[in-house]
Amino acid sequence: ETGVTQTPRHLVMGMTNKKSLKCEQHLGHNAMYWYKQSAKKPLELMFVYSLEERVENNSVPSRFSPECPNSSHLFLHLHTLQPEDSALYLCASSPHRINEKLFFGSGTQLSVL
Amino acid sequence: AQSVTQLGSHVSVSEGALVLLRCNYSSSVPPYLFWYVQYPNQGLQLLLKYTTGATLVKGINGFEAEFKKSETSFHLTKPSAHMSDAAEYFCAVRASVDDYKLSFGAGTTVTVRA
Repeated sequence: ETGVTQTPRHLVMGMTNKKSLKCEQHLGHNAMYWYKQSAKKPLELMFVYSLEERVENNSVPSRFSPECPNSSHLFLHLHTLQPEDSALYLCASSPHRINEKLFFGSGTQLSVL
Repeated sequence: AQSVTQLGSHVSVSEGALVLLRCNYSSSVPPYLFWYVQYPNQGLQLLLKYTTGATLVKGINGFEAEFKKSETSFHLTKPSAHMSDAAEYFCAVRASVDDYKLSFGAGTTVTVRA
């Protein structure tokens, strides 16, 4: 148990659906991240929040919309996704933005039909 | 910009044999290097890291890695594989202590044969 919990574990959605991924950390960390993990490709950093402020938006399409209401919770709102968006979405946290030790959740396996 | 290349997307070893996972990086500045491990159905965990100082670093579960600047490499080894080492391993690089972005490799899947 790493202290970072992601829900749901699996999600299947159509291209016209709207869904949200949730991440929660109970580690007292100040920074939270969304990564995309596609098969046999490097992890892609999507968003970084530090003290609830977005500090990085790594050229992610607008169909992905993050939300960080407080330092313990992070959401990724999804709408009108494409099949190529199917991947494992990983949430991570770290004590501070400048910290090499990331604590990852188990991820949400997303399939877009 | 920093990048990481992991040679071999899949490695199969016998139980008790040497595990060697290769990682080469490119960086315009002295890098900070990491290995993460992902067990099935889990998130990534930090295995070990190199920042400064001794170039041979030891991590958890008997793994170690050596930073070789001349070869721009940070290969991961374990002398004797155990069945529990079956997982996916990721090499990552960060440009400096002030750079929060980690660039990950594509990963190497390790299977251990009995």
